[in-house]
Amino acid sequence: GENVEQHPSTLSVQEGDSAVIKCTYSDSASNYFPWYKQELGKRPQLIIDIRSNVGEKKDQRIAVTLNKTAKHFSLHITETQPEDSAVYFCAASSAYGNNRLAFGKGNQVVVIP
Amino acid sequence: EAQVTQNPRYLITVTGKKLTVTCSQNMNHEYMSWYRQDPGLGLRQIYYSMNVEVTDKGDVPEGYKVSRKEKRNFPLILESPSPNQTSLYFCASSTWTSGRHEQYFGPGTRLTVT
Repeated sequence: GENVEQHPSTLSVQEGDSAVIKCTYSDSASNYFPWYKQELGKRPQLIIDIRSNVGEKKDQRIAVTLNKTAKHFSLHITETQPEDSAVYFCAASSAYGNNRLAFGKGNQVVVIP
Repeated sequence: EAQVTQNPRYLITVTGKKLTVTCSQNMNHEYMSWYRQDPGLGLRQIYYSMNVEVTDKGDVPEGYKVSRKEKRNFPLILESPSPNQTSLYFCASSTWTSGRHEQYFGPGTRLTVT
């Protein structure tokens, strides 16, 4: 099955700087890659996603890039703010078969004011 | 309001006492899942269901059961809970739309087994 790995496990950034989290996946059939944000004590929520026919997608201060050849995708957060402090999960899924989402273990991002 | 609900939100129980965590969604989603979240291990899928009466094992199904008799409900059953099942549990529902598969998570159930 699909195996998703995230690096680094913890990332501290100064407010206003950029943060980048990278994920790798193992199954070349995966074609959908979402990112979820989980604030302390809250449920995970989708913040951005990308399909394999697109190389990059942006939504205000966040962007996701996908490199299918290398089987990795990254979340980029620019101009970080304290409210960006959270755990971020990447995931991968295929539209075929059982449609399961395989999640990474999560990255703790801490934005230092 | 579109939502996924779980009950109870918090539960402390003893080893071996059967329990059920309920999950319900009002979005008419075909796909529902149960996850457990443990520190350092992320979200691990326990069971999932692609539609009514269709369920399958996820990554960590041992010690759990599920059923999907109605589209909106997907209860998680622990027949004989053990301390290693102490965890934070999330139910989620989703549907595929235009190649996207957004999972809507419930609020979570924090289970402690002593």
